Amino acid sequence: AQSVTQLGSHVSVSEGALVLLRCNYSSSVPPYLFWYVQYPNQGLQLLLKYTTGATLVKGINGFEAEFKKSETSFHLTKPSAHMSDAAEYFCAVTHSGGYQKVTFGTGTKLQVIP
Amino acid sequence: DGGITQSPKYLFRKEGQNVTLSCEQNLNHDAMYWYRQDPGQGLRLIYYSQIVNDFQKGDIAEGYSVSREKKESFPLTVTSAQKNPTAFYLCASSIAYERRFEKLFFGSGTQLSVL
Repeated sequence: AQSVTQLGSHVSVSEGALVLLRCNYSSSVPPYLFWYVQYPNQGLQLLLKYTTGATLVKGINGFEAEFKKSETSFHLTKPSAHMSDAAEYFCAVTHSGGYQKVTFGTGTKLQVIP
Repeated sequence: DGGITQSPKYLFRKEGQNVTLSCEQNLNHDAMYWYRQDPGQGLRLIYYSQIVNDFQKGDIAEGYSVSREKKESFPLTVTSAQKNPTAFYLCASSIAYERRFEKLFFGSGTQLSVL
């Protein structure tokens, strides 16, 4: 079985401050990990993903995430928050074996304070 | 531009009524999915389809039905058996179900409410 835990359902940062959204996963086999972003009343769009290879993954809009196997984590960061980053962020996990579906975390709403 | 179109954007259901949510994609994707989103609960899988004329139940299929008669279309019916249908419904697609490293493409969602 696989699962995803996102710590903090709401995170507030000041404009220009570091963004850190936490994601821990559980998987019995090597995972594929994703971060998606959702703006109000819209669908989700992919920010970045980890499949294999380099553990530091860069995505769109200046976001990046690091896969840490020893900590079973895939935290999302951005050095400097912009007002346009205010949205809900979802971490997701799956893997190639069997018929495992994509499992999503419960989401973290990011508020950016001017 | 290729993408996924969901309609309507807002839908209201009366007691005892079945309603159908539309999902169309022009991405030539084999796999399609329906998710239900409730505040604070993330996305939960209702049904998925790996290929035309085939579909499988997800985690919360009770009270829902789907069909996949065309590659481009994957409509979801919320039946009267679904007692708590108020939620945001998202349709998604991917190149192929087994290519799990590929991203999901999402529609813009349908908000279903009960009158």
